[in-house]
Amino acid sequence: QKEVEQDPGPLSVPEGAIVSLNCTYSNSAFQYFMWYRQYSRKGPELLMYTYSSGNKEDGRFTAQVDKSSKYISLFIRDSQPSDSATYLCAMRENTGFQKLVFGTGTRLLVSP
Amino acid sequence: DVKVTQSSRYLVKRTGEKVFLECVQDMDHENMFWYRQDPGLGLRLIYFSYDVKMKEKGDIPEGYSVSREKKERFSLILESASTNQTSMYLCASSFMDRFQYFGAGTRLSVL
Repeated sequence: QKEVEQDPGPLSVPEGAIVSLNCTYSNSAFQYFMWYRQYSRKGPELLMYTYSSGNKEDGRFTAQVDKSSKYISLFIRDSQPSDSATYLCAMRENTGFQKLVFGTGTRLLVSP
Repeated sequence: DVKVTQSSRYLVKRTGEKVFLECVQDMDHENMFWYRQDPGLGLRLIYFSYDVKMKEKGDIPEGYSVSREKKERFSLILESASTNQTSMYLCASSFMDRFQYFGAGTRLSVL
């Protein structure tokens, strides 16, 4: 079993839809949770991060962590065609060297 | 803005060649990383470095080596390229325990 599981998609939605992207994990020691966005043929760019449990909002994006269920989510409101990309979740423990564990990524397609 | 620059976007090499992938960051970050990214497998850590001349193996170091002679530069070396090393290679850097910033990637094809 992988430490971090993520549905590869593709997830196809119409413009304006609310998108929900999710990851599950098995290591209860993970404390930092990140979402990266990767456009085709580009490197991942950091989109959002949260520490421990709770929600964090940034414009149209909301990151949510439920440590009791070992489940994290990224919500995108009013999705745009420019949001079409692969979204990678990543996480790490609080102690030791900051080795990130990545999900395999979910490909999102937003159609006009 | 943090800038992580990888010297080549695309490379085509032959089996058995020695391959150098170069990465330079301009933010004085201590930590630098090399990953490979393959469909269905995600990002896997090859090597990382937390200081000049220091290196640590990641999850899949076999067939690779690295060099960090200067703080801003981290090189990945494939001593004898093989077809199973065809992949997207990503370099990243970070400051202390902060977040990793990635370069645009090098797509390597080994024929």
